[in-house]
Amino acid sequence: QAQLQESGPGLVKPSETLSLTCTVSGGSIGSDYWSWIRQPPGKGLEWIGYMYYSGSTSYNPSLKSRVSISIDTSKNQFSLKLNSVTAADTAVYYCARGSYIVVAYSAMLWFDPWGQGTLVTVSS
Amino acid sequence: QSVLTQPPSVSAAPGQKVTISCSGSRSNIGNHYVSWYQQIQGTAPKLLIYETNKRPSGIPDRFSGSKSGTSATLDITGLQTGDEADYHCGTWDSSLSAGVFGGGTKLTVL
Repeated sequence: QAQLQESGPGLVKPSETLSLTCTVSGGSIGSDYWSWIRQPPGKGLEWIGYMYYSGSTSYNPSLKSRVSISIDTSKNQFSLKLNSVTAADTAVYYCARGSYIVVAYSAMLWFDPWGQGTLVTVSS
Repeated sequence: QSVLTQPPSVSAAPGQKVTISCSGSRSNIGNHYVSWYQQIQGTAPKLLIYETNKRPSGIPDRFSGSKSGTSATLDITGLQTGDEADYHCGTWDSSLSAGVFGGGTKLTVL
């Protein structure tokens, strides 16, 4: 069973870029949809986006203009960049392995496993 | 404001059954499969149900999922104190072309 671990700064200044990396161990980053999900304090989950191992991406429309996800297969890592952050981007950020299958126009999307999460605070 | 609507909280006694609802629309639950996650305080979400009604290995059959129209349901039978957690539903939304989640439901086992 693969294990995922997020890493990156816990504090980012407003207007700067949030950068996080997820390291995948116990499995190959080839195949699957490598995903980022966040959870503001006391709130529900928000899907940020995913990158398929081949390089195609899908992002939450509400974040699309500010977000990018990339994969480094040589290091078994994938990364998140979110630019022009504000206090509203303060959240626990999770990386997760996604599964996305479409059968007869119906999509199956689920996330398993998840990293332990990392709190990123946006503050000056 | 989450795309999927869940009750903020539910409660039941040990040994009883509880149902958690997740309401959406035709562009999400109505046409796509649902997943459910258990999040114990201070930890990451854990997959409970995928493809609306399938359990990953290791998840007891006390947990079951179903769907009718634009609403999905997670049933938990034989409640245990260890089931106290937040439960989140998720799916794909074809109008948004995005993954979406509910706001989460806090389960209290009295």
